[in-house]
Amino acid sequence: SYVLTQPPSVSVAPGQTAKISCGGYSIGSKTVQWYQQKPGQAPVLVIYEDRDRPSGIPERISGSNSGNTATLTISSVEAGDEADYYCQVWDSSDSDPHAVFGGGTKLTVL
Amino acid sequence: QVRLQESGPGLVKPSGALSLTCVVSGDSITSTRWWSWVRQPPGKGLEWIGQVFHRGDTYYNPSLKSRVTISVDTAKNEFSLRLNSVTAADTAMYYCARTTSSYGGNFDSWGQGTLVTVSS
Repeated sequence: SYVLTQPPSVSVAPGQTAKISCGGYSIGSKTVQWYQQKPGQAPVLVIYEDRDRPSGIPERISGSNSGNTATLTISSVEAGDEADYYCQVWDSSDSDPHAVFGGGTKLTVL
Repeated sequence: QVRLQESGPGLVKPSGALSLTCVVSGDSITSTRWWSWVRQPPGKGLEWIGQVFHRGDTYYNPSLKSRVTISVDTAKNEFSLRLNSVTAADTAMYYCARTTSSYGGNFDSWGQGTLVTVSS
């Protein structure tokens, strides 16, 4: 089965840039989504198809995907960005299509 | 603005069946979207359970496939989850979500979630 690997935690000072990685075999050949989840809330889609933002998501949140790593970048980090972030892809290599989530990364704003 | 609302028992006995319903408003369940269930054990990450299309087509997480059934009721604009033979490991927040396509899509709208505890 396909595995996505994320660092458990990332810490960054306000105003700096946070980069959250999502590793997977040839993930560059898949489309990656990213979700933000704040405590006690449902996840929210922040990036789809590697780099597109849904309406209402600020431009300082961006995504990239190449090779074996996808990256979520949050520029000019604010206290309100503190949350868990999950990457997600679809896989069908050994069965019917199914969604796969990474283990999640807790972003802490220092 | 689409809205999804989960409902169902918050407590299920071990070896029993978990049944949840998700009512959709603001969108027709017969649209081109798929409809998914995702769960999150306390303090842990997200796990996709499966999805259904309004015609009844389904795809399931291979690790849960033997115990899961997802169905749709187009007349009520809702879809449901049934998970059999539950154990404490199935204790989780269960979310329903709209999925933009069967493969390669994203979960663009989520319900608020409902906590299900498996305990005697």
